[in-house]
Amino acid sequence: QKEVEQNSGPLSVPEGAIASLNCTYSDRVSQSFFWYRQYSGKSPELIMSIYSNGDKEDGRFTAQLNKASQYVSLLIRDSQPSDSATYLCAVKASGGSYIPTFGRGTSLIVHP
Amino acid sequence: EAGVAQSPRYKIIEKRQSVAFWCNPISGHATLYWYQQILGQGPKLLIQFQNNGVVDDSQLPKDRFSAERLKGVDSTLKIQPAKLEDSAVYLCASSLAGVEQYFGPGTRLTVT
Repeated sequence: QKEVEQNSGPLSVPEGAIASLNCTYSDRVSQSFFWYRQYSGKSPELIMSIYSNGDKEDGRFTAQLNKASQYVSLLIRDSQPSDSATYLCAVKASGGSYIPTFGRGTSLIVHP
Repeated sequence: EAGVAQSPRYKIIEKRQSVAFWCNPISGHATLYWYQQILGQGPKLLIQFQNNGVVDDSQLPKDRFSAERLKGVDSTLKIQPAKLEDSAVYLCASSLAGVEQYFGPGTRLTVT
């Protein structure tokens, strides 16, 4: 059973702070890792993808991957109230036949 | 570029009735996914298509759920008969290369 674990939260941070969201996964053959943002009542929106160990930065977002520890994280710098949402971690092994697995998401609240 | 289209957006039915959802993926996207998302949980993959062939349907309750993707473009997901526990948001997503997914707005199903 492939599992993707996330702390459900809520994670509460003040505006302007760094929000750190974490995700662990069980399947060692996982090769592709994604972070989706889901606002309440809306569908998931892809915000970051990462495939290699290390950091990947895109604007205020940084994804970090450590395959040896089976750990992927998302850092949001200068957090804004508009970042308040649920952040879903998704993991997929390589090859089209491997299905993607989502975590249950971490609720982030950025308060002014 | 138009996104993933889904209809209807909302549906209320009584248990034991049948319901069908429709999805039109992003143009050119060969991979299409149907997910079920229950409140407070991450999306759960029901079925994955590559063009008009099924890649994985291991989590599809085949006694009541069916899906098809004729001509490798549009797809329909059907539930017959519906149960109370089928109340959820049904999300359709598409992908160009079977990696990064883009979600439609979803269909919120309430079974009474």
